[in-house]
Amino acid sequence: DTEVTQTPKHLVMGMTNKKSLKCEQHMGHRAMYWYKQKAKKPPELMFVYSYEKLSINESVPSRFSPECPNSSLLNLHLHALQPEDSALYLCASSQVASGKETQYFGPGTRLLVL
Amino acid sequence: QKEVEQNSGPLSVPEGAIASLNCTYSDRVSQSFFWYRQYSGKSPELIMSIYSNGDKEDGRFTAQLNKASQYVSLLIRDSQPSDSATYLCAVLLGNTGKLIFGQGTTLQVKP
Repeated sequence: DTEVTQTPKHLVMGMTNKKSLKCEQHMGHRAMYWYKQKAKKPPELMFVYSYEKLSINESVPSRFSPECPNSSLLNLHLHALQPEDSALYLCASSQVASGKETQYFGPGTRLLVL
Repeated sequence: QKEVEQNSGPLSVPEGAIASLNCTYSDRVSQSFFWYRQYSGKSPELIMSIYSNGDKEDGRFTAQLNKASQYVSLLIRDSQPSDSATYLCAVLLGNTGKLIFGQGTTLQVKP
């Protein structure tokens, strides 16, 4: 089973709202990732968590705040977003964050910021 | 120079033909290469992974890797209309877990 789940599927929020995206996997993977994908563009890496610790932050604005409460869960807290942050947010996981491990993607959360 | 480059297409092939998708990358130390398929509005789905020079076959799909030329390709035999999607080439940078995608090639298979 290579299932990564994400909730919610769709989210509409105002620029003053606070919301959270949730990602879950039960494959025993110890690396989890957040990507952002704009229309007709490839996914862009935002954060990497390895063994529940943040290992890569791709200079993402502080209005995006990741959290990894345990090895199965990954959250992305959103606050004071801008309309240009509207995108498909993808979570992925892999066994470890190394040079060989395949990353499996969840279905994504489509975010619209008004 | 972009780290991973693909021709954005669209690449149009008739049903039953072979579709050939190409990708070049700039990081010489990369060891792991992936092809993902993405249907419109959906998330990327892994098609193939390849780590060694040469060919790797899985059903109708064959991935080819040439590290000396920094080139990866994907061949789809007996193309079906259901193969119409965007194909993303992805490269893992070093041992970081950082996956870098090309811009994607849109494939259209016409009945």
